[in-house]
Amino acid sequence: EVQLLESGGGLVQPGGSLGLSCAASGFGFSSYAMSWVRQAPGKGLEWVSRISGSGGSTYYADSVKGRFTISRDNFKNNLYLQMSSLRPEDTAVYYCAKLYDYGDLKFWYFDFWGRGTLVTVSS
Amino acid sequence: QSVLTQPPSASGTPGQRVTISCSGNSSNIVRNYLHWYQHLPGTAPKLLIYRNDQRPSGVPDRFSGSKSGTSASLAISGLRSEDEADYYCATWDDSLSGWVFGGGTKLTVL
Repeated sequence: EVQLLESGGGLVQPGGSLGLSCAASGFGFSSYAMSWVRQAPGKGLEWVSRISGSGGSTYYADSVKGRFTISRDNFKNNLYLQMSSLRPEDTAVYYCAKLYDYGDLKFWYFDFWGRGTLVTVSS
Repeated sequence: QSVLTQPPSASGTPGQRVTISCSGNSSNIVRNYLHWYQHLPGTAPKLLIYRNDQRPSGVPDRFSGSKSGTSASLAISGLRSEDEADYYCATWDDSLSGWVFGGGTKLTVL
């Protein structure tokens, strides 16, 4: 059974930093691309970042580019999101999601998600 | 403002059939596959439909998806109380080089 468990959320001041982790189990972690998706209070889902199975390629939404860094440890089966220069608009529940990543990007989709961890950016 | 447009709410009575729409444009829905997710607040979102009309194993055939041009639809037949949740459409956007989601539709079973 695929399981994704996020941790590391909390309250941080504007301009501060925070690191999130996602512990993965139940599948060949290193074989799949992974993503972070967030949901601000009362809003819809927003894709944040993705990383290839090897960790060699990373991509970001324009809203977080230059401030967030995605990484992974394929020995520990962990996905990470390091967030810096945080803004109040970064307040959201952050979800870790596994990508079904065979073929062209148009075929890809998020097939498993975690329950999320809440990040609140406020003074 | 979400890139994909969904109605904010939908409702139906048990046993009814309801549809939820999702509209986009030529850089997202037209060129790429559309997927649907079911989300109960506080839980993990669940893949409901992938690649326009495919159901993952375990998803009842009461759920079906379709796509035509710049729009897509999720249909739920034989509505049940446990279907009450938020539903999101999602796809890849060639112009934004990222995944885009609808704003979500809150389904209420009356």
